[in-house]
Amino acid sequence: KQEVTQIPAALSVPEGENLVLNCSFTDSAIYNLQWFRQDPGKGLTSLLLIQSSQREQTSGRLNASLDKSSGRSTLYIAASQPGDSATYLCAVKAAGNKLTFGGGTRVLVKP
Amino acid sequence: GAGVSQTPSNKVTEKGKYVELRCDPISGHTALYWYRQSLGQGPEFLIYFQGTGAADDSGLPNDRFFAVRPEGSVSTLKIQRTERGDSAVYLCASSLGGGLYEQYFGPGTRLTVT
Repeated sequence: KQEVTQIPAALSVPEGENLVLNCSFTDSAIYNLQWFRQDPGKGLTSLLLIQSSQREQTSGRLNASLDKSSGRSTLYIAASQPGDSATYLCAVKAAGNKLTFGGGTRVLVKP
Repeated sequence: GAGVSQTPSNKVTEKGKYVELRCDPISGHTALYWYRQSLGQGPEFLIYFQGTGAADDSGLPNDRFFAVRPEGSVSTLKIQRTERGDSAVYLCASSLGGGLYEQYFGPGTRLTVT
């Protein structure tokens, strides 16, 4: 059974510092991995999708890496801003097409 | 184009009542998923439709939960004899297909059972 873990559960940084969010998964037989952002009381916004054949994806200040063999992904957010405060979730898709989510990392960027 | 929509956005019901939650996927998306998110946790898979049929319902917690997608578009999640433990946010997602395709999520329905 696939299990996804996100550490730390919460993170507080001053504005301008780079953010590093970690995600690990137990079964490396995945189709892809997605990073999502969730604001309080809202749905999920997809940030980056990395296919299993890729090693990283970039969008603006966001960069996500994938090391399938070791079961790890890292989301980097450069030069954090207060507007980046949210919960970040990673999820993997394997056979069966369902996404298995981690518990999320709650991020607070202090002005 | 329009994203995934879900109605109602909030639902409060009494223990023991029946509820229906609706999901309108993105037009043309053949795959539809339901997830449940409890407070402070990541979403958990409930059921996956490919077209009109449930391809995987292994996440439904018990037989009080049922979902349909009769015409391969709109889906309804039905919960009978609701319990306080059913209180959660119910999220719907759709994608062009299974496999490598990205899932797009709706805003969710917050269900509160009193």
